[in-house]
Amino acid sequence: QKEVEQNSGPLSVPEGAIASLNCTYSDRGSQSFFWYRQYSGKSPELIMFIYSNGDKEDGRFTAQLNKASQYVSLLIRDSQPSDSATYLCAVPGSARQLTFGSGTQLTVLP
Amino acid sequence: SAVISQKPSRDICQRGTSLTIQCQVDSQVTMMFWYRQQPGQSLTLIATANQGSEATYESGFVIDKFPISRPNLTFSTLTVSNMSPEDSSIYLCSVEAASRATYEQYFGPGTRLTVT
Repeated sequence: QKEVEQNSGPLSVPEGAIASLNCTYSDRGSQSFFWYRQYSGKSPELIMFIYSNGDKEDGRFTAQLNKASQYVSLLIRDSQPSDSATYLCAVPGSARQLTFGSGTQLTVLP
Repeated sequence: SAVISQKPSRDICQRGTSLTIQCQVDSQVTMMFWYRQQPGQSLTLIATANQGSEATYESGFVIDKFPISRPNLTFSTLTVSNMSPEDSSIYLCSVEAASRATYEQYFGPGTRLTVT
């Protein structure tokens, strides 16, 4: 059974700061990792995926993966109030079904 | 990414009744999944729905309670049977899209179910 743990929230950062969201996973065989953003009352939206060790950047978002430490993170640079949402880490299983972490609620304060 | 719709978007149902949720995709997809998100919680997979075969259910979910149909590559239904207040949740379907690097899942808008 895959387990996915996310750092407990909620997390508040001031506008313009870097928000750091973290996730650890139990299965060393996991190959790819997904970050979803979920606004209140909405469904999850895929924002990033990563499958290689190191960093992957997409605009203000950077995903970081360290397979040796079984750790994946999401950095949001220049945080904006519109980034306020719950961020969910997800790991696919052998049948490509997703196991989600508990989510981290981020609030960016203007 | 695919355009996914769900019907109904929300419903209030009485305990003991059943509700069928529809998920429609604008393109053919192999893999469709049904998730549940209880209030204030993360998402939990109910089952995987593949066309031409029976759905595969996760531990804690059974076919009698959550029957699923997948008649073609663009459509699936999830029925929540003999509902109780504990079934009050958001039910989400997702579809898989293959990219160059991996398989990505995209979610429908969800169905918010309240059981009284």
